[in-house]
Amino acid sequence: GAGVSQSPSNKVTEKGKDVELRCDPISGHTALYWYRQRLGQGLEFLIYFQGNSAPDKSGLPSDRFSAERTGESVSTLTIQRTQQEDSAVYLCASSLQASGYNEQFFGPGTRLTVL
Amino acid sequence: AQSVAQPEDQVNVAEGNPLTVKCTYSVSGNPYLFWYVQYPNRGLQFLLKYITGDNLVKGSYGFEAEFNKSQTSFHLKKPSALVSDSALYFCAVSNGASGGYNKLIFGAGTRLAVHP
Repeated sequence: GAGVSQSPSNKVTEKGKDVELRCDPISGHTALYWYRQRLGQGLEFLIYFQGNSAPDKSGLPSDRFSAERTGESVSTLTIQRTQQEDSAVYLCASSLQASGYNEQFFGPGTRLTVL
Repeated sequence: AQSVAQPEDQVNVAEGNPLTVKCTYSVSGNPYLFWYVQYPNRGLQFLLKYITGDNLVKGSYGFEAEFNKSQTSFHLKKPSALVSDSALYFCAVSNGASGGYNKLIFGAGTRLAVHP
């Protein structure tokens, strides 16, 4: 079946602009996760959803970052007033449920470049 | 707090030789341990996991990993490396407390280079 998809694959924006990143999880997966991967570094947890609610927003780096999920499906990560330090690959993942033992399935990522 | 250490930034192996990618972890409860692989310009792919039971777990592409509770390690191994195994490997851990979601913490990654 179809895996996790993300769009756009690449996004170049100017400092101060807002961007929206989209994630389509695997059908039937109730949990959805967002991570950030800076060049040459590991994954940094941003936020997760169980259904449409986000119990853990602790990883969001600032109030410029927000995310929502609708219909227990698509999720959008929004970054307002982008800064150069926001440049990274943003990865989305989904799993059957938000439990610690379910493996997460990752999308290909969105590479964000802020000029 | 949970943490994962991958002590080697890069591992170099000749094709056909055995490979080991090291991972140690720290978690307050029982660990759930995972290995993921990332090929260039692609997302992470799940390789294998340890939840409970047999300490030796087998995964995709001939990889296996051994859970060692006393050494708090979960090293990834393969008996015979292939050039196509060259990629970035991530170890991850979550706290296996009962119920609820426990954040998955990733190591910094180890780049595996298999030379012909």
